[in-house]
Amino acid sequence: AQSVAQPEDQVNVAEGNPLTVKCTYSVSGNPYLFWYVQYPNRGLQFLLKYITGDNLVKGSYGFEAEFNKSQTSFHLKKPSALVSDSALYFCAVSSSASKIIFGSGTRLSIRP
Amino acid sequence: GAGVSQSPSNKVTEKGKDVELRCDPISGHTALYWYRQRLGQGLEFLIYFQGNSAPDKSGLPSDRFSAERTGESVSTLTIQRTQQEDSAVYLCASSTRLAGEGPDTQYFGPGTRLTVL
Repeated sequence: AQSVAQPEDQVNVAEGNPLTVKCTYSVSGNPYLFWYVQYPNRGLQFLLKYITGDNLVKGSYGFEAEFNKSQTSFHLKKPSALVSDSALYFCAVSSSASKIIFGSGTRLSIRP
Repeated sequence: GAGVSQSPSNKVTEKGKDVELRCDPISGHTALYWYRQRLGQGLEFLIYFQGNSAPDKSGLPSDRFSAERTGESVSTLTIQRTQQEDSAVYLCASSTRLAGEGPDTQYFGPGTRLTVL
């Protein structure tokens, strides 16, 4: 069975500092990995995805994520955080034959 | 339309009543998902439709919950005899499938906020 874990409920970062939001997964076969963001009182928005190819994936709003097969991780990163990045972030995983499932979410708080 | 739409946007009902939630996916998207999100919580998978295949109902929390989809179009999620614990935002998403491979990006609707009094 596939699963995805976001081990941190909350991540706090000062504006301008780099940020990392962690995600690990377990699937049978090749993984399809996604990050979504949910701003307050708004719907979920797609940030980036890994299907195949380069392990470093670049997405919207300056975010990127690195696929690490040996560690089964797909951590979300940004070199310099903005206060406007404060939101709820979800990692999601699937394989070729299965549905997409979501992690429990990580609340990112960027302080000025 | 250009995106996934859901109706109603808000629904307040009394305990014990039935409710029906609607999702209009993006045209051409073969996959459709329903999720439930309780306040401040993550996304709880409910049901997944993929083309003409039998739906994956493994996430439905009880037999009070059911969903239908006609072809690759509209889907309805029905909750019978609603309970207070059913109060949540119900999200619908649709996606394509990459040719011969896995799912592509999901596009989410704005959700239906259900309040059961």
